[in-house]
Amino acid sequence: GAGVSQSPSNKVTEKGKDVELRCDPISGHTALYWYRQSLGQGLEFLIYFQGNSAPDKSGLPSDRFSAERTGGSVSTLTIQRTQQEDSAVYLCASSSPTGSDGYTFGSGTRLTVV
Amino acid sequence: EDQVTQSPEALRLQEGESSSLNCSYTVSGLRGLFWYRQDPGKGPEFLFTLYSAGEEKEKERLKATLTKKESFLHITAPKPEDSATYLCAVKGTNDYKLSFGAGTTVTVRA
Repeated sequence: GAGVSQSPSNKVTEKGKDVELRCDPISGHTALYWYRQSLGQGLEFLIYFQGNSAPDKSGLPSDRFSAERTGGSVSTLTIQRTQQEDSAVYLCASSSPTGSDGYTFGSGTRLTVV
Repeated sequence: EDQVTQSPEALRLQEGESSSLNCSYTVSGLRGLFWYRQDPGKGPEFLFTLYSAGEEKEKERLKATLTKKESFLHITAPKPEDSATYLCAVKGTNDYKLSFGAGTTVTVRA
């Protein structure tokens, strides 16, 4: 596609519920990243996928967070048993293997846990 | 661990009033310093990548420069449409992910 597509754009969920956030990267981009942006904070790295290699999950804040990437394309970030501190904008980005041309970000999913 | 500090946190400018944003960084072997623009409700939009000290890049009213310890984003004769949050990020030799600063929010009044 022309850009990185994320869905839903907004999600309100009750504390304790599970949520799934979807990212459709640019066609041909082998690298995919998930970041979290909280109000007034910088972007926080969550997880990185590169081709068929094992993902780098070092940024995931707890075992309630998981992500997968199917067929080297679409990725899903899952948050189980959501907590209020999970409220943030979740951003997905993709890039070519070197990333030298910058990362292209989607518009994000704004998650609100009530 | 890579660290990025941006200043000021917020900047209010009159239209036509030029200014500069600062990005100070510490990184193990710089592989790239990135500038992004972010509008409310949108994802960051890529502006520039700088790779070595002394390098400069320009795009319209924006000019980015790089030294061994910091980068500046100069905004010349800004217009209201330049209002946005500007984010700086670095990538180090032993890393593939970008480490971001908290950003500078620029407001340009007509």
